[in-house]
Amino acid sequence: ETGVTQSPTHLIKTRGQQVTLRCSSQSGHNTVSWYQQALGQGPQFIFQYYREEENGRGNFPPRFSGLQFPNYSSELNVNALELDDSALYLCASSIGGSNNEQFFGPGTRLTVL
Amino acid sequence: GIQVEQSPPDLILQEGANSTLRCNFSDSVNNLQWFHQNPWGQLINLFYIPSGTKQNGRLSATTVATERYSLLYISSSQTTDSGVYFCAAHTNTGRRALTFGSGTRLQVQP
Repeated sequence: ETGVTQSPTHLIKTRGQQVTLRCSSQSGHNTVSWYQQALGQGPQFIFQYYREEENGRGNFPPRFSGLQFPNYSSELNVNALELDDSALYLCASSIGGSNNEQFFGPGTRLTVL
Repeated sequence: GIQVEQSPPDLILQEGANSTLRCNFSDSVNNLQWFHQNPWGQLINLFYIPSGTKQNGRLSATTVATERYSLLYISSSQTTDSGVYFCAAHTNTGRRALTFGSGTRLQVQP
């Protein structure tokens, strides 16, 4: 059974650019959630996708957007990057919603210069 | 939304010592998880424990849902236990996501 995978591992962008992060959910999982973790803090919820539809969103601006594909993998897109977007981005997968056990990927560390 | 508070924020132990980490939450939960974040950032699942008691080797956890707290016990700590421990909770009345506490940073010294 393959766990949650994310790509790329690390990424360096400049302010104003756009970035796409990718997540493959664990086998059999149909829900993907994305979190942002700034240095020294706990992860903060960005949004969740269930069966290719956005199923909930945290306090993040519209320049954070996402997709979920028929195979339940997912993308996080961030437009007009700002310095404060520098963080570890984590995705989690589960069967159904967040009331079920969540399993996290290794994360993508984004640095915005 | 639900508030999740962890204590203590920092903990330094000698190898072999026992410790208790606490997580308080402000609402009834249907998911409560404990994670260990390794130095590379990955969140490792320790326990899925919305209620009751579980044990896994040197680690055990108890959630008392009616009193809105959970405890993580680490016995005979090892240097490899070092890192940040997070609890995270989900409630049906809030967002469709886990809400994380701010973590307990554990350092186990040889």
